[in-house]
Amino acid sequence: TQLLEQSPQFLSIQEGENLTVYCNSSSVFSSLQWYRQEPGEGPVLLVTVVTGGEVKKLKRLTFQFGDARKDSSLHITAAQPGDTGLYLCAGASTYGGATNKLIFGTGTLLAVQP
Amino acid sequence: DTGVSQNPRHKITKRGQNVTFRCDPISEHNRLYWYRQTLGQGPEFLTYFQNEAQLEKSRLLSDRFSAERPKGSFSTLEIQRTEQGDSAMYLCASSPGQKNTEAFFGQGTRLTVV
Repeated sequence: TQLLEQSPQFLSIQEGENLTVYCNSSSVFSSLQWYRQEPGEGPVLLVTVVTGGEVKKLKRLTFQFGDARKDSSLHITAAQPGDTGLYLCAGASTYGGATNKLIFGTGTLLAVQP
Repeated sequence: DTGVSQNPRHKITKRGQNVTFRCDPISEHNRLYWYRQTLGQGPEFLTYFQNEAQLEKSRLLSDRFSAERPKGSFSTLEIQRTEQGDSAMYLCASSPGQKNTEAFFGQGTRLTVV
């Protein structure tokens, strides 16, 4: 069974601080995605990483895919109150040329205090 | 294209009643997923379709849950003889196809069983 564990589970920080969220698994994924979810809404895709060691930047957010494609991290620089939300990683594996189902991590709830 | 649409947004039902939710995916998307989510947690996989074929159903899902996607378009999720433990947000997502797993979510259906 594929599992994606995220840490920390909860994070409350002051505006302007930096933070890192981790997503770990014992399974290899063909791609890994990060989503952000606000209360009462569905998750919204932030980024997809595909290549081991890949780094992608989205304004103040930096995403990294582990070399072995089993883990990923999300780093936020100078957090803003608008960054508040539930951050989710999600992965899909490929077997026999077909891509399997997309599974989600346990989630990291971030609160940025002004 | 208006994105993924789910109906109803909210449903309150008495224990023991049956409920049915509908999901209209993005029209050109082949994959359709159903997830269940409780507060602050990551979405839990329920089932997914490739066109009209149901490829996998979670082993955690009881026989009271059934999903269909006739003609590979919209999908329905039915819960029979609802229990209080079924109370959750039910999310539907669609993705373009086998090799592109980027998921686009609806706003979800919030089910409360009283």
